[in-house]
Amino acid sequence: EAGVVQSPRYKIIEKKQPVAFWCNPISGHNTLYWYRQNLGQGPELLIRYENEEAVDDSQLPKDRFSAERLKGVDSTLKIQPAELGDSAVYLCASSLPQGTQYFGPGTRLTVL
Amino acid sequence: QQQVKQSPQSLIVQKGGISIINCAYENTAFDYFPWYQQFPGKGPALLIAIRPDVSEKKEGRFTISFNKSAKQFSLHIMDSQPGDSATYFCAASLSGGSNYKLTFGKGTLLTVNP
Repeated sequence: EAGVVQSPRYKIIEKKQPVAFWCNPISGHNTLYWYRQNLGQGPELLIRYENEEAVDDSQLPKDRFSAERLKGVDSTLKIQPAELGDSAVYLCASSLPQGTQYFGPGTRLTVL
Repeated sequence: QQQVKQSPQSLIVQKGGISIINCAYENTAFDYFPWYQQFPGKGPALLIAIRPDVSEKKEGRFTISFNKSAKQFSLHIMDSQPGDSATYFCAASLSGGSNYKLTFGKGTLLTVNP
C-alpha cells in the first residue's frame, strides 16, 4: 500500500516569493494534517482536515499561509509571500478518523 | 508554553544496551501518548503508543512506562541496535472530537554505537 506522497521533496526560494506544497494521502484516509517541523524540533500542527473541511486551523498563520483540500483527497499548502523564518520541513499526515497518523517524507523548504 | 517536555536531547548507547527517553506532560486531559521514530529525510513513524489506563506496554524490544500521578512516561529500548539510531519523539493528545491533535516533544537523537 502506498504511503503519504508529498512533492516537491526540496524547494529553495528567495524571500517574498510564493511557494506551494502538495500532498496525496493514503487512500481512504479522510483526515489530513499539515505540520511544520523546525530544525531540532518536533512537528507542530498547522491545519487539520476532515474530508474537505478544515476543522482545526488555529495554528495556521493566515496572513501568509493558505491551504485547500478540494474533493477531500489531495491537499495543497501555500505560502505567499515566504519569509526567512518559514524555512522548515513541511509534513503531511493522514489517518482514519481518530486513528494513527501516517506521515509523508516532507518537503524541506529553504528561504534565502 | 511547552506542553510536552522531552529529555535527554541526545543519547549515545552501546550496542546491546538499554536506551531510556523520558517525557513529562502538563495537561492532565491528555489521554493518548505515542512515540514516533524519525530517520533522516523521512517523516515520523509511529513506534508504540499507550493510553493512561495501563502503566506499561511492551512491543518487542520497545516498552512504554506510564506514571499518571507524576504525569510522566518513558520509552525503553532493550538490546539497542545500530539500526535504532534515529530521532525519537514523544507526543500527547486529547483523543476524540475536534481536540484530536498531537503535541510533540522536541525529540531525542539516539546514537547506538556498534
